[in-house]
Amino acid sequence: GAVVSQHPSWVICKSGTSVKIECRSLDFQATTMFWYRQFPKQSLMLMATSNEGSKATYEQGVEKDKFLINHASLTLSTLTVTSAHPEDSSFYICSAPGTGHGDSIGYTFGSGTRLTVV
Amino acid sequence: GEDVEQSLFLSVREGDSSVINCTYTDSSSTYLYWYKQEPGAGLQLLTYIFSNMDMKQDQRLTVLLNKKDKHLSLRIADTQTGDSAIYFCAEWAEYGNKLVFGAGTILRVKS
Repeated sequence: GAVVSQHPSWVICKSGTSVKIECRSLDFQATTMFWYRQFPKQSLMLMATSNEGSKATYEQGVEKDKFLINHASLTLSTLTVTSAHPEDSSFYICSAPGTGHGDSIGYTFGSGTRLTVV
Repeated sequence: GEDVEQSLFLSVREGDSSVINCTYTDSSSTYLYWYKQEPGAGLQLLTYIFSNMDMKQDQRLTVLLNKKDKHLSLRIADTQTGDSAIYFCAEWAEYGNKLVFGAGTILRVKS
């Protein structure tokens, strides 16, 4: 089935630095990648949708300059948290739509990145 | 707008059945999903149901859909300790072209 590889799994960074999170579709082409943020004991909140070769679409309330998304190829999408602050600490997960057939009818999720800003 | 609600916590004994409930608001949803999330991990698709179906069974999992009431449930038969996790229901919202998740139900299985 479809696999999305996300890394790093966890990262600790100093306040003011930037962190890049990568998501790769390993055995399929992902023209679209969804980026979610999850606070403890809460559901996933969609932050933005990245589309290969075009600008990402951000959800209301998400700062575009803060969360830079790049989808330069059909297999790679990146999220960069710029000038990170402690309130950006969270669990970030990417997801790609499946192929629509069989087991890939759902959305495939990366394993998530735990970001801690100190 | 679209909204998905779930009960937050369920505790069952090993071997019992678990039933996790979900309600949604978008009547145009075409697919409804159940995902499982283990601690510190991403989401794993458990099963899904197309909106024109009432029931779907997949081994220990049974999904029931009441489209009139916009109610979805997931039944896990013979619940095991390995089933302890957070379970999210999600609907594909035609408006907005995105998946909308419930808050998740924490399932705790006591041995």
